[in-house]
Amino acid sequence: DAMVIQNPRYQVTQFGKPVTLSCSQTLNHNVMYWYQQKSSQAPKLLFHYYDKDFNNEADTPDNFQSRRPNTSFCFLDIRSPGLGDAAMYLCATSRDLGPDGYTFGSGTRLTVV
Amino acid sequence: DQQVKQNSPSLSVQEGRISILNCDYTNSMFDYFLWYKKYPAEGPTFLISISSIKDKNEDGRFTVFLNKSAKHLSLHIVPSQPGDSAVYFCAAQGTAGNQFYFGTGTSLTVIP
Repeated sequence: DAMVIQNPRYQVTQFGKPVTLSCSQTLNHNVMYWYQQKSSQAPKLLFHYYDKDFNNEADTPDNFQSRRPNTSFCFLDIRSPGLGDAAMYLCATSRDLGPDGYTFGSGTRLTVV
Repeated sequence: DQQVKQNSPSLSVQEGRISILNCDYTNSMFDYFLWYKKYPAEGPTFLISISSIKDKNEDGRFTVFLNKSAKHLSLHIVPSQPGDSAVYFCAAQGTAGNQFYFGTGTSLTVIP
């Protein structure tokens, strides 16, 4: 039973063409996160939502935006993908802020051509 | 600036033997640590955690050891099984915020 679902699993987009990645959860967790993981690198937090409150990491490029229309869904929008944005994008959830393990989705691998 | 480091990108172990995966961190404010396991084409899944008030936490075949003075933690898997073959990520969190800082992962291969 997948609890954090990311769609699609693989996404190919053209350089500069806006793309949206989707994440949904059935856990009713308050917090949803988006991580970017490039090859052989650690996952890097882009931003998170605590309920409807959006928290952007200081070094997240403006090219990356997020929306959370309701508790279950969270979207990652890349306004103008560059070749350097090719990566695995991981969505994660947690019940609350604090020392609580995350539940991750399977990720979306983005290729920019 | 990598605050959590896993210096061994890969490790191979015979089935039945002990696997030891290491992780070092630089921030003394980190007080909660986790290990995640990741199979290809899947997201990371939580494996085991430890708080800084402890130096050991055990869950079945998995034990995590924390050495705060050395800023080092390790994951021991005994006995190792072929199904343990995966990438293992160490992650750390400080009291100041919710973000977890991840290491780059160690790919474990358990040879039957």
